[in-house]
Amino acid sequence: SQQGEEDPQALSIQEGENATMNCSYKTSINNLQWYRQNSGRGLVHLILIRSNEREKHSGRLRVTLDTSKKSSSLLITASRAADTASYFCATGQGGDYKLSFGAGTTVTVRA
Amino acid sequence: NAGVTQTPKFQVLKTGQSMTLQCAQDMNHNSMYWYRQDPGMGLRLIYYSASEGTTDKGEVPNGYNVSRLNKREFSLRLESAAPSQTSVYFCASRSSPGTSIYQPQHFGDGTRLSIL
Repeated sequence: SQQGEEDPQALSIQEGENATMNCSYKTSINNLQWYRQNSGRGLVHLILIRSNEREKHSGRLRVTLDTSKKSSSLLITASRAADTASYFCATGQGGDYKLSFGAGTTVTVRA
Repeated sequence: NAGVTQTPKFQVLKTGQSMTLQCAQDMNHNSMYWYRQDPGMGLRLIYYSASEGTTDKGEVPNGYNVSRLNKREFSLRLESAAPSQTSVYFCASRSSPGTSIYQPQHFGDGTRLSIL
Protein backbone atom coordinates (compact mmCIF):
# COMPACT_ATOMS: atom_id res chain seq x y z
CA SER A 1 0.00 0.00 0.00
CA GLN A 2 1.13 3.56 -0.62
CA GLN A 3 2.76 5.37 2.24
CA GLY A 4 2.10 8.95 1.24
CA GLU A 5 -1.00 10.89 0.36
CA GLU A 6 -0.90 14.30 -1.26
CA ASP A 7 -3.47 17.00 -0.76
CA PRO A 8 -5.04 18.57 -2.74
CA GLN A 9 -5.30 16.22 -5.72
CA ALA A 10 -5.37 19.21 -8.06
CA LEU A 11 -4.53 22.88 -7.78
CA SER A 12 -5.03 25.74 -10.25
CA ILE A 13 -3.34 29.08 -9.63
CA GLN A 14 -2.45 32.28 -11.44
CA GLU A 15 1.11 32.94 -12.53
CA GLY A 16 2.97 34.74 -9.77
CA GLU A 17 0.92 33.18 -6.96
CA ASN A 18 2.28 30.66 -4.48
CA ALA A 19 1.34 26.98 -4.61
CA THR A 20 1.21 24.84 -1.50
CA MET A 21 0.67 21.10 -1.41
CA ASN A 22 0.76 18.69 1.49
CA CYS A 23 1.85 15.12 2.01
CA SER A 24 0.84 12.86 4.88
CA TYR A 25 2.38 9.48 5.59
CA LYS A 26 1.68 6.58 7.88
CA THR A 27 4.86 5.09 9.33
CA SER A 28 8.13 6.55 10.59
CA ILE A 29 10.55 7.66 7.91
CA ASN A 30 14.23 8.53 7.55
CA ASN A 31 13.74 10.94 4.67
CA LEU A 32 11.05 12.47 2.48
CA GLN A 33 11.56 13.52 -1.11
CA TRP A 34 9.57 15.61 -3.56
CA TYR A 35 9.52 14.92 -7.29
CA ARG A 36 8.03 16.73 -10.27
CA GLN A 37 6.58 15.05 -13.36
CA ASN A 38 5.87 16.98 -16.53
CA SER A 39 3.28 15.54 -18.88
CA GLY A 40 4.61 12.51 -20.72
CA ARG A 41 7.94 12.53 -18.91
CA GLY A 42 9.63 10.75 -16.04
CA LEU A 43 9.90 12.04 -12.49
CA VAL A 44 12.55 14.59 -11.63
CA HIS A 45 13.92 14.91 -8.11
CA LEU A 46 13.35 18.32 -6.51
CA ILE A 47 14.40 18.17 -2.88
CA LEU A 48 15.15 15.72 -0.07
CA ILE A 49 14.57 16.43 3.61
CA ARG A 50 15.91 14.17 6.35
CA SER A 51 13.80 13.13 9.30
CA ASN A 52 15.88 15.28 11.67
CA GLU A 53 15.35 18.41 9.54
CA ARG A 54 12.33 20.70 9.81
CA GLU A 55 12.69 22.98 6.81
CA LYS A 56 14.68 23.09 3.63
CA HIS A 57 14.92 25.56 0.75
CA SER A 58 15.98 25.21 -2.86
CA GLY A 59 15.47 28.22 -5.10
CA ARG A 60 11.71 28.94 -5.14
CA LEU A 61 10.93 25.71 -3.28
CA ARG A 62 10.41 25.44 0.44
CA VAL A 63 9.77 22.10 2.12
CA THR A 64 8.74 21.55 5.71
CA LEU A 65 8.58 18.32 7.64
CA ASP A 66 6.66 17.65 10.84
CA THR A 67 7.44 14.13 12.00
CA SER A 68 5.09 14.42 14.98
CA LYS A 69 2.18 14.93 12.58
CA LYS A 70 3.68 12.68 9.90
CA SER A 71 3.26 15.39 7.31
CA SER A 72 5.23 17.54 4.89
CA SER A 73 4.44 20.53 2.73
CA LEU A 74 5.92 21.82 -0.51
CA LEU A 75 5.63 25.53 -1.26
CA ILE A 76 6.42 26.90 -4.70
CA THR A 77 6.74 30.67 -4.59
CA ALA A 78 6.09 33.07 -7.48
CA SER A 79 4.82 30.29 -9.72
CA ARG A 80 5.48 30.25 -13.45
CA ALA A 81 3.75 28.51 -16.34
CA ALA A 82 6.69 26.09 -16.44
CA ASP A 83 5.76 24.89 -12.93
CA THR A 84 2.67 23.23 -14.41
CA ALA A 85 3.23 19.56 -13.56
CA SER A 86 2.34 16.80 -11.13
CA TYR A 87 4.18 16.77 -7.83
CA PHE A 88 4.80 13.62 -5.80
CA CYS A 89 6.09 13.03 -2.32
CA ALA A 90 8.06 9.87 -1.60
CA THR A 91 9.18 8.46 1.72
CA GLY A 92 12.11 6.25 2.65
CA GLN A 93 12.00 3.95 5.68
CA GLY A 94 14.70 2.28 7.72
CA GLY A 95 17.84 1.21 5.90
CA ASP A 96 15.87 0.52 2.77
CA TYR A 97 16.78 1.77 -0.67
CA LYS A 98 13.13 1.79 -1.65
CA LEU A 99 10.74 4.75 -1.79
CA SER A 100 6.98 4.80 -1.36
CA PHE A 101 5.21 7.35 -3.55
CA GLY A 102 1.95 9.17 -3.05
CA ALA A 103 -0.66 9.65 -5.77
CA GLY A 104 0.47 13.22 -6.51
CA THR A 105 -0.89 16.76 -6.79
CA THR A 106 -1.52 18.16 -10.27
CA VAL A 107 -0.65 21.84 -10.43
CA THR A 108 -1.83 24.07 -13.26
CA VAL A 109 -0.37 27.57 -13.47
CA ARG A 110 -2.50 29.92 -15.59
CA ALA A 111 -0.80 32.70 -17.51
CA ASN B 1 24.67 12.51 -20.51
CA ALA B 2 21.74 10.18 -21.27
CA GLY B 3 20.89 9.22 -17.65
CA VAL B 4 18.26 6.46 -17.65
CA THR B 5 17.14 5.21 -21.06
CA GLN B 6 14.05 3.07 -21.56
CA THR B 7 13.05 1.21 -24.69
CA PRO B 8 10.60 1.04 -26.30
CA LYS B 9 8.70 4.27 -25.60
CA PHE B 10 5.36 2.83 -26.76
CA GLN B 11 4.10 -0.69 -27.28
CA VAL B 12 0.77 -2.37 -27.99
CA LEU B 13 0.41 -6.05 -27.19
CA LYS B 14 -2.33 -8.62 -27.44
CA THR B 15 -3.39 -10.57 -24.38
CA GLY B 16 -1.06 -13.52 -23.85
CA GLN B 17 1.90 -12.08 -25.73
CA SER B 18 5.26 -11.67 -24.01
CA MET B 19 7.44 -8.60 -23.93
CA THR B 20 10.68 -7.37 -22.36
CA LEU B 21 11.09 -3.74 -21.39
CA GLN B 22 14.68 -2.56 -21.43
CA CYS B 23 16.35 -0.07 -19.11
CA ALA B 24 19.93 1.15 -19.08
CA GLN B 25 21.68 3.80 -16.99
CA ASP B 26 25.03 5.43 -17.57
CA MET B 27 25.53 6.97 -14.13
CA ASN B 28 27.33 3.99 -12.56
CA HIS B 29 24.45 3.57 -10.12
CA ASN B 30 24.19 0.46 -7.98
CA SER B 31 20.43 0.32 -7.42
CA MET B 32 17.74 0.07 -10.08
CA TYR B 33 13.94 -0.04 -9.91
CA TRP B 34 10.86 -0.79 -11.98
CA TYR B 35 7.59 1.01 -11.27
CA ARG B 36 4.19 1.15 -12.87
CA GLN B 37 2.08 4.29 -12.89
CA ASP B 38 -1.68 4.11 -13.20
CA PRO B 39 -4.09 7.08 -13.14
CA GLY B 40 -4.75 8.31 -9.62
CA MET B 41 -2.43 5.77 -8.00
CA GLY B 42 1.01 7.28 -8.19
CA LEU B 43 3.96 4.94 -8.67
CA ARG B 44 3.96 1.37 -7.41
CA LEU B 45 7.18 -0.60 -7.14
CA ILE B 46 7.24 -3.82 -9.15
CA TYR B 47 10.80 -5.09 -8.58
CA TYR B 48 14.09 -3.59 -7.59
CA SER B 49 17.75 -4.48 -7.61
CA ALA B 50 19.73 -3.02 -4.71
CA SER B 51 23.00 -3.99 -6.37
CA GLU B 52 24.28 -6.01 -9.30
CA GLY B 53 23.42 -9.67 -8.82
CA THR B 54 20.41 -9.13 -6.53
CA THR B 55 16.72 -8.60 -7.24
CA ASP B 56 13.76 -8.32 -4.88
CA LYS B 57 10.02 -8.08 -5.17
CA GLY B 58 8.26 -4.80 -4.62
CA GLU B 59 4.62 -4.04 -3.98
CA VAL B 60 3.10 -5.49 -7.19
CA PRO B 61 5.40 -8.23 -8.62
CA ASN B 62 2.79 -10.71 -9.86
CA GLY B 63 2.93 -11.27 -13.61
CA TYR B 64 6.44 -9.83 -13.97
CA ASN B 65 10.02 -11.03 -13.93
CA VAL B 66 13.25 -9.06 -13.94
CA SER B 67 16.87 -9.55 -14.88
CA ARG B 68 19.79 -7.45 -13.69
CA LEU B 69 21.94 -8.15 -16.71
CA ASN B 70 24.92 -6.13 -15.48
CA LYS B 71 25.45 -2.94 -13.50
CA ARG B 72 24.00 -0.80 -16.30
CA GLU B 73 20.98 -2.79 -17.39
CA PHE B 74 17.80 -3.94 -15.67
CA SER B 75 15.03 -5.51 -17.77
CA LEU B 76 11.37 -6.19 -16.98
CA ARG B 77 9.57 -9.10 -18.62
CA LEU B 78 5.87 -9.76 -19.02
CA GLU B 79 5.56 -13.48 -19.77
CA SER B 80 1.85 -13.51 -20.64
CA ALA B 81 0.46 -9.99 -20.90
CA ALA B 82 -2.96 -9.21 -19.43
CA PRO B 83 -5.14 -6.10 -19.91
CA SER B 84 -4.60 -5.26 -16.22
CA GLN B 85 -0.94 -4.67 -17.06
CA THR B 86 -1.82 -1.73 -19.30
CA SER B 87 0.16 1.06 -17.68
CA VAL B 88 3.11 3.39 -17.96
CA TYR B 89 6.30 1.69 -16.77
CA PHE B 90 9.18 3.66 -15.33
CA CYS B 91 12.70 2.56 -14.64
CA ALA B 92 14.81 4.40 -12.08
CA SER B 93 18.31 4.18 -10.71
CA ARG B 94 20.02 5.38 -7.60
CA SER B 95 23.54 5.80 -6.40
CA SER B 96 24.20 4.06 -3.12
CA PRO B 97 27.68 5.05 -2.01
CA GLY B 98 28.60 3.34 1.18
CA THR B 99 25.44 2.93 3.25
CA SER B 100 23.92 6.35 2.57
CA ILE B 101 20.16 6.26 2.31
CA TYR B 102 19.89 9.95 1.41
CA GLN B 103 20.06 9.65 -2.33
CA PRO B 104 17.43 10.60 -4.94
CA GLN B 105 16.23 8.31 -7.68
CA HIS B 106 16.73 9.19 -11.34
CA PHE B 107 13.95 8.23 -13.75
CA GLY B 108 13.65 7.38 -17.40
CA ASP B 109 10.81 8.80 -19.50
CA GLY B 110 8.75 5.64 -19.36
CA THR B 111 7.29 2.96 -21.62
CA ARG B 112 3.61 3.33 -22.42
CA LEU B 113 2.21 -0.18 -22.72
CA SER B 114 -1.29 -1.06 -23.90
CA ILE B 115 -2.57 -4.62 -23.78
CA LEU B 116 -5.65 -5.41 -25.83
